[in-house]
Amino acid sequence: EAQVTQNPRYLITVTGKKLTVTCSQNMNHEYMSWYRQDPGLGLRQIYYSMNVEVTDKGDVPEGYKVSRKEKRNFPLILESPSPNQTSLYFCASSSGGQGPGEQYFGPGTRLTVT
Amino acid sequence: DAKTTQPTSMDCAEGRAANLPCNHSTISGNEYVYWYRQIHSQGPQYIIHGLKNNETNEMASLIITEDRKSSTLILPHATLRDTAVYYCIVMRRRGGSEKLVFGKGTKLTVNP
Repeated sequence: EAQVTQNPRYLITVTGKKLTVTCSQNMNHEYMSWYRQDPGLGLRQIYYSMNVEVTDKGDVPEGYKVSRKEKRNFPLILESPSPNQTSLYFCASSSGGQGPGEQYFGPGTRLTVT
Repeated sequence: DAKTTQPTSMDCAEGRAANLPCNHSTISGNEYVYWYRQIHSQGPQYIIHGLKNNETNEMASLIITEDRKSSTLILPHATLRDTAVYYCIVMRRRGGSEKLVFGKGTKLTVNP
């Protein structure tokens, strides 16, 4: 089944403790991206990747890092999480041929930073 | 990317067609109209997209006006599972930094 998977689905952590949210897709998609969703602010793009080893900042990249060492994986790294990074996070992917408009989204990771 | 305007909320009776409007009066000639929906904190789901012709797939139909300044997403036989926030997004299909910009969308409630 074609899908985007994220792990963990739920995470409660403390300020400053480094964490990684994994994202994997099995559709051989070139384009991958990360979003966060907050009440009243909607979905905002954090980072995106057009292909392996190519990443770029989205609208709200501060406090996050990403890497794209292989096509299927696009982990989101919070080196020193802070409470303002408490949010619902989504990973998404799309085929390069279709462009970023037709994205498949993962189920989400709900992160709480205390 | 062009801005879109959608009603905040709509109601629809189960089994009836749900017609969700979207205004995008500043759309450019190379920009597509995309529709997504999000069911209660799940990941957004791509529904359909179009440039200027009407489009239909297994989920919905998309009607774009001739001047392309507005469009309507049609769910032909709405079910309770179609209750969701529906987003209309306008963007170019390919290019260096195109991205989905999600507005507030329309909260569709399908009533039994």
